[in-house]
Amino acid sequence: TQLLEQSPQFLSIQEGENLTVYCNSSSVFSSLQWYRQEPGEGPVLLVTVVTGGEVKKLKRLTFQFGDARKDSSLHITAAQPGDTGLYLCAGDYNQGGKLIFGQGTELSVKP
Amino acid sequence: NAGVTQTPKFRILKIGQSMTLQCAQDMNHNYMYWYRQDPGMGLKLIYYSVGAGITDKGEVPNGYNVSRSTTEDFPLRLELAAPSQTSVYFCASSRDSGSPYEQYFGPGTRLTVT
Repeated sequence: TQLLEQSPQFLSIQEGENLTVYCNSSSVFSSLQWYRQEPGEGPVLLVTVVTGGEVKKLKRLTFQFGDARKDSSLHITAAQPGDTGLYLCAGDYNQGGKLIFGQGTELSVKP
Repeated sequence: NAGVTQTPKFRILKIGQSMTLQCAQDMNHNYMYWYRQDPGMGLKLIYYSVGAGITDKGEVPNGYNVSRSTTEDFPLRLELAAPSQTSVYFCASSRDSGSPYEQYFGPGTRLTVT
């Protein structure tokens, strides 16, 4: 059974600080996705990474896929209160369209 | 496009009652999914479908049933509701070619069983 572990589970920081969220597995992904979920809403896709070592940037968010495609990180620079939410990683293990989700990182950015 | 729509948004059931959670998408996606989300537990896959007439179990299918008679609709049926089914339920859809199964989620149904 594949397992995706996210860390930390909770993160509370001040506006302007930097942070990194990690997503780790013992199995190789064919691709990995990051989603952001706001209270009372469904998750929204932020990015998909496919190639080992790949780095993608989305404004102040930087996503990295590990060289061995078993881990990924999300780095936020100069966090803002609007970044507050639940960040979820989801791995595709070539199971015919099924994704495995991590348990999420709850981020709170205080003004 | 409305994307993925879910009804109802909220529902309270008594133990033993049954109900159907509705899900529809207008993006012509072949793949559709039902997840439940419990606090601190991420998303757990209940059932999924790769096309009309084809469904398969996910990680936590017990107590639920699905059907897929059209590409657009994927209802989830709860029979004999139990308190353990109190959760937030999300429906999602994705293409089956091109992008690697990037999922589009509905707004969720918050279900309480008492």
